[in-house]
Amino acid sequence: ETGVTQSPTHLIKTRGQQVTLRCSSQSGHNTVSWYQQALGQGPQFIFQYYREEENGRGNFPPRFSGLQFPNYSSELNVNALELDDSALYLCASSPRTATNYGYTFGSGTRLTVV
Amino acid sequence: AQSVTQLDSQVPVFEEAPVELRCNYSSSVSVYLFWYVQYPNQGLQLLLKYLSGSTLVKGINGFEAEFNKSQTSFHLRKPSVHISDTAEYFCAVSRNSGNTPLVFGKGTRLSVIA
Repeated sequence: ETGVTQSPTHLIKTRGQQVTLRCSSQSGHNTVSWYQQALGQGPQFIFQYYREEENGRGNFPPRFSGLQFPNYSSELNVNALELDDSALYLCASSPRTATNYGYTFGSGTRLTVV
Repeated sequence: AQSVTQLDSQVPVFEEAPVELRCNYSSSVSVYLFWYVQYPNQGLQLLLKYLSGSTLVKGINGFEAEFNKSQTSFHLRKPSVHISDTAEYFCAVSRNSGNTPLVFGKGTRLSVIA
């Protein structure tokens, strides 16, 4: 049983650019959530996808958007990058949308905006 | 809305000594509670979770936590720590119904000293 895999592991972008981060969910999991973890902080919920539809969103602007594909993998897109977008982006998958089923987290993508 | 306060940002402890990492939460509704561990350059790993029932929850790696509803606390304990327990520990809360995201605390850095 494979876990959650994220790519790339690290990347550096310039302010104003756009970035796409990718996530493959654990086998059998149909729900994917994305979190942003700034340095020295706990993860903050960005949004969740279930059956290819956004199923909940945190306090993030519309320039943060996502997709979920039929195989349940997911992308996080961020437009017009700002310096404060520098963070570790974590993807988590679960077998249902309800929290008690538990989330499996990937190792994250470290994004640096310069 | 839910919130989590981790009362200590850093906890140094000698190897084989006991440790307690403190977590308090705020919520107007019933909750699920979680502890996650994050090793350097890695994602989050679930240590244990409280959903219902017994207030003493046992997790992996010898950790346990006690849910105290009156104190709104969910402190994490281990009777004897090892060097390998050095990591960042996050307490998280969610509503206990439907699809709700995890709300994390800012984390506690546990440093085990030889």
